[in-house]
Amino acid sequence: ETGVTQSPTHLIKTRGQQVTLRCSSQSGHNTVSWYQQALGQGPQFIFQYYREEENGRGNFPPRFSGLQFPNYSSELNVNALELDDSALYLCASSFPGQHIEQYFGPGTRLTVT
Amino acid sequence: DAKTTQPPSMDCAEGRAANLPCNHSTISGNEYVYWYRQIHSQGPQYIIHGLKNNETNEMASLIITEDRKSSTLILPHATLRDTAVYYCIVRVVSGGSNYKLTFGKGTLLTVNP
Repeated sequence: ETGVTQSPTHLIKTRGQQVTLRCSSQSGHNTVSWYQQALGQGPQFIFQYYREEENGRGNFPPRFSGLQFPNYSSELNVNALELDDSALYLCASSFPGQHIEQYFGPGTRLTVT
Repeated sequence: DAKTTQPPSMDCAEGRAANLPCNHSTISGNEYVYWYRQIHSQGPQYIIHGLKNNETNEMASLIITEDRKSSTLILPHATLRDTAVYYCIVRVVSGGSNYKLTFGKGTLLTVNP
């Protein structure tokens, strides 16, 4: 186990709804990244937070947003859910300034119906 | 980040060495080669990384060709628990804190008894 936890494990939402996914980083890690993994694909980078500020973003629309808290836990918020948002959402924590081993959580499986 | 090419699947007998190839012919001088794996229903796990020298750790060995256009991940004595999707990732490592990982589809390694 990596020490990165995510909640909930599974979630079912209806198209148009909003969802919040949560991530608790490994102790001492002040950088968190979020990835979306569709079935049969590799994870795709959504964005990264460092010291509570967004520090890089992938090719995802603004309805994907995030927060990082002073204790380095993090949230991923998705508004106006679409069917294609159905995926495994992974968070990964790390230290900055290292060759980077990112520690991934087990993910949240989101199903949009 | 440079693109990588990996075979979609490979088989290996338990106890034998598993050799997973990766082509990264457009790699530039400041890009490192990283390997992660993802066991079913888990988050990706870091394995090893290198720049131009061969590397070995407790999990695997990484052999990078002299021209750096390809590499091979070697699991010396594969076990059933090594069955996973293996991702080869090439990326620039800078002094900043943006550590985006760009995953492809990876290679599904199946270790057979």
